[in-house]
Amino acid sequence: GQQVKQSSPSLTVQEGGILILNCDYENDMFDYFAWYKKYPDNSPTLLISVRSNVDKREDGRFTVFLNKSGKHFSLHITASQPEDTAVYLCAAGGNNNRIFFGDGTQLVVKP
Amino acid sequence: DPKIIQKPKYLVAVTGSEKILICEQYLGHNAMYWYRQSAKKPLEFMFSYSYQKLMDNQTASSRFQPQSSKKNHLDLQITALKPDDSATYFCASSQDHGGAYEQYFGPGTRLTVL
Repeated sequence: GQQVKQSSPSLTVQEGGILILNCDYENDMFDYFAWYKKYPDNSPTLLISVRSNVDKREDGRFTVFLNKSGKHFSLHITASQPEDTAVYLCAAGGNNNRIFFGDGTQLVVKP
Repeated sequence: DPKIIQKPKYLVAVTGSEKILICEQYLGHNAMYWYRQSAKKPLEFMFSYSYQKLMDNQTASSRFQPQSSKKNHLDLQITALKPDDSATYFCASSQDHGGAYEQYFGPGTRLTVL
């Protein structure tokens, strides 16, 4: 089965709003969690990551929340901008495993 | 300067032919990977290498063969090309092998098989 799942294939928000992207994973041995941003015809770019020893990491407008007991992590983006429009990929892995990617959520931020 | 170089950026091939996709990384990383993304499909893991040794292979077809001549090179040879092989192929690298290390992606090679 798929190791990492993003339940929302798409999300549309108004500029300036707060949005939340969600990701669920299967393997409770995973200890690394990341979000990548991808524009069409471009490669994925690492946005933010967190290890399992913390449950939150903030970097500017982007915050990752980790819920290990629920095998769930999320990306919160505040003050959303049209430039945030992209596909967001969540990824998770462990020391002895490769990284598993979700299918992606297409985010559209309307001006 | 780009840290991960993939050549060529665009590639058109005919069915049945053979092509080699080039990847070089200048990040000093020990692990390298190949991914594929077909139209309207998610990013798909293909191979991982660590210190030039194959660590993980999720590609069913033997037509896809990674080649590592140096630690910072991981080329991908594809033989007997089919139209279904049309996709963008991304190379990535990380400090060491394993899901605990951040992966950085190259710009990709867009392959079209006619």
